[in-house]
Amino acid sequence: EVQLLESGGGLVQPGGSLRLSCAASGFTFSSYAMAWVRQAPGKGLEWVSAISGSDGNTYYADSVKGRFTISRDNSKNTLYLQMNSLRAEDTAVYYCAKDVILGGTVRGVGFDYWGQGTLVTVSS
Amino acid sequence: SFELTQPPSVSVSPGQTASITCSGDKLGYKYACWYQQKPGQSPVLVIYQDSKRPSGIPERFSGSNSGNTATLTISGTQAMDEADYYCQAWDSNVVFGGGTKLTVL
Repeated sequence: EVQLLESGGGLVQPGGSLRLSCAASGFTFSSYAMAWVRQAPGKGLEWVSAISGSDGNTYYADSVKGRFTISRDNSKNTLYLQMNSLRAEDTAVYYCAKDVILGGTVRGVGFDYWGQGTLVTVSS
Repeated sequence: SFELTQPPSVSVSPGQTASITCSGDKLGYKYACWYQQKPGQSPVLVIYQDSKRPSGIPERFSGSNSGNTATLTISGTQAMDEADYYCQAWDSNVVFGGGTKLTVL
């Protein structure tokens, strides 16, 4: 059974940093691209970042480029999101999601498994 | 930048067919997918690569994509289908539509 379990969310002051983790199980982690998607309270889904399975290609939304860094440790089956220079508008539930297509390339054709999400609140 | 536009809301009677559209420039040349999200839950992929259903998704969910519009169709809509629906495509980056609230009256 595929499982994605996010952790690391919490309350942080503007300008601060957080590191989110997503522990994956139930599939060959290195064979799939992964992504982070966020949802501000009462708002829609917003893609944040994606990473390929094993060749290290990364992609970022303009709203987080230069502040967030996505990475993965395939030996630990874990996805990360390092978030720096946090702003109030980064407040959201952050989901990690698994690409539907086997192969590891980021194609953006769909994410078939999602974690339960972790809440990040940026406030003084 | 590439944008996807969805109607904010769609209403349907139980047992009828619901259609939710997603518009974007030359969307038909890209793959579209759809997610269902119920309150307090994580999104669920219901259609990917325009018209494929992941395992476990009922056959009443179908999709199409042509020209500038992708469409999610729910045949024989049930009360349990009431949810927010999001389209998504790839244009150098992942792009989500703004979401459509489906109400089953």
